[in-house]
Amino acid sequence: QKEVEQNSGPLSVPEGAIASLNCTYSDRGSQSFFWYRQYSGKSPELIMFIYSNGDKEDGRFTAQLNKASQYVSLLIRDSQPSDSATYLCAVQGGSEKLVFGKGTKLTVNP
Amino acid sequence: DVKVTQSSRYLVKRTGEKVFLECVQDMDHENMFWYRQDPGLGLRLIYFSYDVKMKEKGDIPEGYSVSREKKERFSLILESASTNQTSMYLCASSPVDRWDGYTFGSGTRLTVV
Repeated sequence: QKEVEQNSGPLSVPEGAIASLNCTYSDRGSQSFFWYRQYSGKSPELIMFIYSNGDKEDGRFTAQLNKASQYVSLLIRDSQPSDSATYLCAVQGGSEKLVFGKGTKLTVNP
Repeated sequence: DVKVTQSSRYLVKRTGEKVFLECVQDMDHENMFWYRQDPGLGLRLIYFSYDVKMKEKGDIPEGYSVSREKKERFSLILESASTNQTSMYLCASSPVDRWDGYTFGSGTRLTVV
C-alpha cells in the first residue's frame, strides 16, 4: 500500500514568517510530487509540482524534493493570513493516480 | 472559466435512495476521478476512468458505481444511499499527455439522512 505521510498540525506561524510543511512517501518509485492548497469548504487547488531532486521556486513558494530520503517539503516565505489553509501533499507513482496525504492545517496569525 | 463542473454543491438524500453525482470537464482530459474526503481520513479514491466506457476501482468502491458514456462526463452513482456515505465528493480530471496533476471540481457535499 503506497502511503503519503504528513503532520496533521495545526501548524501556527506569525505573519511574515516562513512556514515549512513536510511530507514523506513510501513508494521509492514515485516520480512526481504535488502540493495542493485547500481552503475550508473548498476543493483543492494545485500550487506547486516538482519532478527532480532539489528546489523549485514559484513566488513565495519553494518545493524541495529529496528522493533518496523520500521526502518532499513546501516552504512559504513571508506568510500571509490568506495562506491559512490545509496543504495536501500528493505523490504519483507508475500510474495515472495520485496518492494524497491527509494534509497539514496551517494558520498564519496577523 | 470553470473547467471541472460538479452539478450540485449541496445535496440531501434519504437512506435507500439512488443518487447520481455528475461531473463534466471541458478540457478534453482522458482521465477522470471520483474521490471522497472525510475529516481525519483524507482523500480516498472511489473510481477512476481513463477513457470512455473504461473504469477501474479505486480504494473504496463498495456501494458505488460509475458511468462514462462521453469523454467529458463522469457520473458517480450511489446505488442505495446510506448514512455512512455522507461526505464531500470531489471529481477531478487530468490529461495523459501532460502530467501536471489533477484539476478538481468544486465538490458536492452530500448528506444522507
